[in-house]
Amino acid sequence: EVQLLESGGGLVQPGGSLRLSCAASGFIFSSYAMSWVRQAPGKGLEWVSGLSGSGDNTYYADSVKGRFTVSRDKSKNTLYLQMNSLRTEDTAVYYCTKTYYYDGSGFAFDHWGQGTLVTVSS
Amino acid sequence: DIQMTQSPSSLSASVGDRVTITCRTSQTISRHLNWYQQKPGEAPKFLIFGASSLQSGVPSRFSGSGSGTDFTLTISSLQPEDFATYYCQQSYSIPITFGQGTRLEIK
Repeated sequence: EVQLLESGGGLVQPGGSLRLSCAASGFIFSSYAMSWVRQAPGKGLEWVSGLSGSGDNTYYADSVKGRFTVSRDKSKNTLYLQMNSLRTEDTAVYYCTKTYYYDGSGFAFDHWGQGTLVTVSS
Repeated sequence: DIQMTQSPSSLSASVGDRVTITCRTSQTISRHLNWYQQKPGEAPKFLIFGASSLQSGVPSRFSGSGSGTDFTLTISSLQPEDFATYYCQQSYSIPITFGQGTRLEIK
């Protein structure tokens, strides 16, 4: 059974930093791209960042580019999101997601963690 | 970036009704369109991929169609557990984008 367990959320002041972790199990971690998707309170879903299975390729939304860094530790089956220079608009529940591939080039998010809440406030 | 527009934003319906949610994209995405269901306080659940393929375990009352820029999610006969918010998402190009969501409420 695939499981994704996020941790690391909490309250941080504007300009501060936080590192989120996502412990993965139940699948071959290094074979799948992973992403972070966030949801501000009462709002919709926003893709934040993605990382290839190899870890060689990273992708970011413009809203976080230059401030957030995604990485993975294959030995620990863990995905990370280092968040620096945090802003109030980064306040959201952050979900870790596993990629599902189809039709050669298509992909979706087939498994989601329970989410971890990040609150940026003074 | 590819813009995603869902309609309606909210919808009231009764158990047993047939409902359709539309998702329109700002440029063609072939069939790289996925649908998710989210209930309050829960993570999204993966429903449909490739515009029309049901994820394993998803009831057959759910169906998807479309290609290019216009897509639909249809629930043939609403069940109590279907009242939730639904999101479309494109995986044609980075950045990945979601629709704003359609809230399906009980009438």
